[in-house]
Amino acid sequence: DARVTQTPRHKVTEMGQEVTMRCQPILGHNTVFWYRQTMMQGLELLAYFRNRAPLDDSGMPKDRFSAEMPDATLATLKIQPSEPRDSAVYFCASGMDDRVDGYTFGSGTRLTVV
Amino acid sequence: GQNIDQPTEMTATEGAIVQINCTYQTSGFNGLFWYQQHAGEAPTFLSYNVLDGLEEKGRFSSFLSRSKGYSYLLLKELQMKDSASYLCAAYNFNKFYFGSGTKLNVKP
Repeated sequence: DARVTQTPRHKVTEMGQEVTMRCQPILGHNTVFWYRQTMMQGLELLAYFRNRAPLDDSGMPKDRFSAEMPDATLATLKIQPSEPRDSAVYFCASGMDDRVDGYTFGSGTRLTVV
Repeated sequence: GQNIDQPTEMTATEGAIVQINCTYQTSGFNGLFWYQQHAGEAPTFLSYNVLDGLEEKGRFSSFLSRSKGYSYLLLKELQMKDSASYLCAAYNFNKFYFGSGTKLNVKP
């Protein structure tokens, strides 16, 4: 089965450090989402890309978060500097255009900032 | 703004039927989705409704009323493996707005 690959699966870091999370979308998919999931807030959309172009990042704290797609096979989400409140599971999902029933989530990166 | 409401937790018995409700208020709406998420895993797609009515997929069915801003997921012949969180999501122009999820506990 084709899958969305996220690395690392787990990350523990100290407050103030930079964190980079990576996502490899399913080959051929042109739409990529970043979500954050916490017990309190549930799943929140942070940003999404289509054909590598950022279409919306309004859900993302701009002062410390950045999202990019350097090429069609890699999406990155960076936090600098990280804070304890950033502790969450970060999911990447990919899909093709408006085939909404075809969006697939990765296994997530569990981030803990101490 | 976006507001998606669903119960926090439900308990049901193996073999029974359970209905998980979801109400939504969104600025713009193209469809309503249901995802299943087992603990520690990624959400997986279950079903979606664009038009009013019932969509059936095996043991799972989903219903939508656009005029009422209401949907439900119906799970029949519950199995232990159905213990998971069920996420309701309103879809609007390429964006999903998720509820906090309903944790379903299936007991023997």
